[in-house]
Amino acid sequence: NAGVTQTPKFRVLKTGQSMTLLCAQDMNHEYMYWYRQDPGMGLRLIHYSVGEGTTAKGEVPDGYNVSRLKKQNFLLGLESAAPSQTSVYFCASSIQLNTEAFFGQGTRLTVV
Amino acid sequence: GESVGLHLPTLSVQEGDNSIINCAYSNSASDYFIWYKQESGKGPQFIIDIRSNMDKRQGQRVTVLLNKTVKHLSLQIAATQPGDSAVYFCAEGGGSNYKLTFGKGTLLTVNP
Repeated sequence: NAGVTQTPKFRVLKTGQSMTLLCAQDMNHEYMYWYRQDPGMGLRLIHYSVGEGTTAKGEVPDGYNVSRLKKQNFLLGLESAAPSQTSVYFCASSIQLNTEAFFGQGTRLTVV
Repeated sequence: GESVGLHLPTLSVQEGDNSIINCAYSNSASDYFIWYKQESGKGPQFIIDIRSNMDKRQGQRVTVLLNKTVKHLSLQIAATQPGDSAVYFCAEGGGSNYKLTFGKGTLLTVNP
């Protein structure tokens, strides 16, 4: 059972480039989340999804877009990367809201 | 605004001692609380959770205490081991929160 899998694990982008972070879960969870983690800031919610075909903004959504075309996948896109988006990104999923969320191993993104 | 915070950003203990990590929350409508452990380079891992209809819950070597009167949450780790060294996050959810709000984390260091 793989749980939550994120790809890639590391990436370096130049300012203005675009990329997509992939998240896949094999637990049949309805809810999926994208967080970013910065030193001293804890985990901040970017976007989340309550089911296939739905997305919603979290705490820090600006500069990001998401899609949930399939229940098991949640994609995070950066249209025009900025140095302020240098961070570690975590995907998570849960069976219900406000229950245990399972996290992936993270994607370390550096924007230069 | 509503926030989840920690009293101690760092905690250093001797192997075999008991550890107590504290957390304050400000959203009185929160009814779900959870502790995560994050080891270096890994995603957060679920430790234990508690709902507001309880004031104590025990797991294997861990106990979570909830004091709703003073909006305080604590994680107790018995017989702390070197493998317990990590950053510990508390998070709250429920009520008007459709998502988990994370604190900034406490770094626990266990000295052999």
